[in-house]
Amino acid sequence: SAVISQKPSRDICQRGTSLTIQCQVDSQVTMMFWYRQQPGQSLTLIATANQGSEATYESGFVIDKFPISRPNLTFSTLTVSNMSPEDSSIYLCSVGDWSYEQYFGPGTRLTVT
Amino acid sequence: DQQVKQNSPSLSVQEGRISILNCDYTNSMFDYFLWYKKYPAEGPTFLISISSIKDKNEDGRFTVFLNKSAKHLSLHIVPSQPGDSAVYFCAASENQGGKLIFGQGTELSVKP
Repeated sequence: SAVISQKPSRDICQRGTSLTIQCQVDSQVTMMFWYRQQPGQSLTLIATANQGSEATYESGFVIDKFPISRPNLTFSTLTVSNMSPEDSSIYLCSVGDWSYEQYFGPGTRLTVT
Repeated sequence: DQQVKQNSPSLSVQEGRISILNCDYTNSMFDYFLWYKKYPAEGPTFLISISSIKDKNEDGRFTVFLNKSAKHLSLHIVPSQPGDSAVYFCAASENQGGKLIFGQGTELSVKP
């Protein structure tokens, strides 16, 4: 399976600021996904990042709040904009091809104060 | 609307015994189910999966059982080892390349 890295691994940010999270894969992948895991909660899909096209967002998530880039087949970024304490979560990217299995990066632990 | 549910937040098992983790789902369109294991400060790791056309899939110490009529699946770990201590997530999907719907997770503790 692909090796996936995320930067930063953790950050503490002030409310009202923005943070961009990077996801790098060591091989070309078709599908990249961004998930959020709020404290004590399950993993929830934010959006699917498609190379060369706009990201597809899930209900409850909007592009203005979570802009995503996918410039090539090995890299994607997720920005958390105008942060509030409710955005404190672990943000995870995952990759997959046209099968069911997805493989996850180590996650970015974000705390908003 | 929680489509995938893991009703046991935690489970404690003695080393060498069987661990049974349970998962229920409500969406009959799910056609593939997966189990992930997650250690603290790491991302989820894919463990084992099962297609809806099967009722059992085995991989070493790990076996997943699917009961479609009951919309229930379970993960059996035999024998359990202390290194198996982690949070286990059940996930489901309606289509290949599509999103995964996760349960809330069950924290397994295997005691020596």
